[in-house]
Amino acid sequence: DIQLTQSPSFLSASVGDRVTITCRASQGISSYLAWYQQKPGKAPKLLIYAASTLQSGVPSRFSGSASGTEFTLTISSLQPEDFATYYCQQLSSYPITFGQGTRLEIK
Amino acid sequence: EVQLVESGGGLVQPGGSLRLSCAASGFTFSDHYMDWVRQAPGKGLEWVGRSRNKANSYTTEYAASVKGRFTISRDDSKNSLYLQMNSLKTEDTAVYYCARGGGDYRHFDCWGRGTLVTVSS
Repeated sequence: DIQLTQSPSFLSASVGDRVTITCRASQGISSYLAWYQQKPGKAPKLLIYAASTLQSGVPSRFSGSASGTEFTLTISSLQPEDFATYYCQQLSSYPITFGQGTRLEIK
Repeated sequence: EVQLVESGGGLVQPGGSLRLSCAASGFTFSDHYMDWVRQAPGKGLEWVGRSRNKANSYTTEYAASVKGRFTISRDDSKNSLYLQMNSLKTEDTAVYYCARGGGDYRHFDCWGRGTLVTVSS
C-alpha cells in the first residue's frame, strides 16, 4: 500500500498568513494526488486534483504543487473560512489512501 | 445540481448486517466511478471501496479491512449505489460517505453528507 505522510499534523496560523501543508508519498504516484478540505460535521470538499489543478469554484488562494513524491498545498492568504482539516489522497493505485490530516486552527 | 444522498445507517449489533444506499442526481450516473469512504468518530478518512462504471464492466475494488465482508453494487436504472455490510465489527462504526470518482484521475469531486453506522451491543 502507498502511505501518505502529511506534515504538520497540526498548524496554528492567523488570518492573512501564508501556509503550506506537505504530503509525502511512500512511492511514486505521478500526479495522482488530490487535496480535500473538511469542516466539522461536514463532508470533505475537493480543492485540488492532479496535484496542481484547482477544482472549479475553489478560490485561487489555494494552490498545489509537486516535486517527485513530495506534494504541497499552499494557501496564500488565510481567510476565516479556511480553518479546517486538510487531507491529501493518492489515486495512483489500490487501495486508494489518504494522509492522516492536517488540522489548521486560528492562532 | 449534482447531488448524492446516503441512507440506511443506524445501530447494529456486532456480527450483524446493514445495507447503505446512495441516491445520485444531476449527472449521468452510469458514466461515473463511485466510491464509499468512511470516517470513524474523531478519526481521518478511510477509503472503503469502488465501483467502476458501465464502460469498465462495473468491476469493484475494496480496502483490505472490508474485503470479503462488504459488497458494493449499483443500479444505474435507479441512479443508486449500494454498500452491503456483513459480519460487522465495532471498528466499522463510522460515518459512511459515497463519492463520485470524476475526471481522468477519478478524484472525488462530489460527496454526500454521509450516514452514521454504529456497531455496538
